[in-house]
This record gives sequence, structure tokens and C-alpha cells, in this order.
Amino acid sequence: GENVEQHPSTLSVQEGDSAVIKCTYSDSASNYFPWYKQELGKGPQLIIDIRSNVGEKKDQRIAVTLNKTAKHFSLHITETQPEDSAVYFCAATKGAQKLVFGQGTRLTINP
Amino acid sequence: SAVISQKPSRDICQRGTSLTIQCQVDSQVTMMFWYRQQPGQSLTLIATANQGSEATYESGFVIDKFPISRPNLTFSTLTVSNMSPEDSSIYLCSAPSGGSYNEQFFGPGTRLTVL
Repeated sequence: GENVEQHPSTLSVQEGDSAVIKCTYSDSASNYFPWYKQELGKGPQLIIDIRSNVGEKKDQRIAVTLNKTAKHFSLHITETQPEDSAVYFCAATKGAQKLVFGQGTRLTINP
Repeated sequence: SAVISQKPSRDICQRGTSLTIQCQVDSQVTMMFWYRQQPGQSLTLIATANQGSEATYESGFVIDKFPISRPNLTFSTLTVSNMSPEDSSIYLCSAPSGGSYNEQFFGPGTRLTVL
């Protein structure tokens, strides 16, 4: 079955700098890759996603890139702000079925 | 996007008892999913709940321990049976939006502590 590896497990950046979180997946048939942000005491919130027919997607300060050949995808957050501090999870799935999650990255934005 | 609510938001239970968690979606969905998130960990799928059929459980999860009901297209329950302290986790339900790729949205979670 699918296996998703996520790095780093913790990331600390200065406010205004960029943050990058990387994930690799094992099943070449996976075709949908969402990213979730989980704040303390809340459920995961879908922040951006990418499908296998697209190499990059942007939404304001957030972007995701996908390299199907290498089977990895990354989350890029630019101009980080304190409210970006949270745990971020990547996931992979095929056919929009069950999600397989990475281990999570705790992002801390230092003022 | 789908709006999902869960009840209860948190509970503290005694060993050996059972707790039923409710999940309500604001639109009709074919599939609903139940996840477990152990403290400080990632999300692990427990089962997929389809309306009108038995739930499909992932490896390591069994129906006797986590019975699931799916009486209609907007509602599901997960019961955590005969609880032990190892069941202390956040339990989350999710449902797709209904779009072509069925983006999944999550409820706020139920924080369970077993003493």
C-alpha cells in the first residue's frame, strides 16, 4: 500500500522568511495530494491540494509542487506570519479514496 | 466545502466503558471516514463508512472494538468499545466535498481520555 514520508518533523523560521516542507510517496498510482494545517485543539484544515496532471499550484502565499517522476511533492509558504504556526500534514491518495498521511511537520514562526 | 460537526468535542471515560461519537455532515455524501490521531502523532484511518453497507476496516482495527453505524447520507457514529488508556486519542471524521476529486474535509475531532 501507499506510504508517505514527510520532512522535517519540526521547522522554525523567522517571520517573513519562507518555509518548505517535503513529502515523498511510494505508490505511483496516487493522483491526489492534499495539504492540511492543524492548529492546536482543532481538526485538520485543507489548505491546498494538487492533482497528478499539474506540476505546481499557487494560492496567495502558499504553493505546492509535484514531481511525479521522483514521487515527491512540497509545500512552500512565503512571507511567513505568526498565524502560520501549526502542524502541517501532507497526504496522498488514488481515486479520491482513503488518505494516507505523512508524519506531520510542526512549523513555528518566530517574531 | 463540506461542514462537519462532531459530538462530543471531548470526554473523559473510565476503563472498560464505551463511548459513541457522532458525526454530522451538512450535505449528502456517499463515503465518510473515521480517523484516529494519537497524541502528537499523524492521522490513521480506522474505517470507511458507506451508507447501506458494512464499514470497511483498515488493518489493525476490528468491528468489535470500533463498531460504526451509517444510517443515512449525512450521519455516522463510531463507538469505541471496552476502552483502555491506550484508546486515548483524538477521533476525527471526514467526508468528501462531492467534487470530481472529492477533497476531504474534517470535523473538529473528539478528544478522548481514558482513565
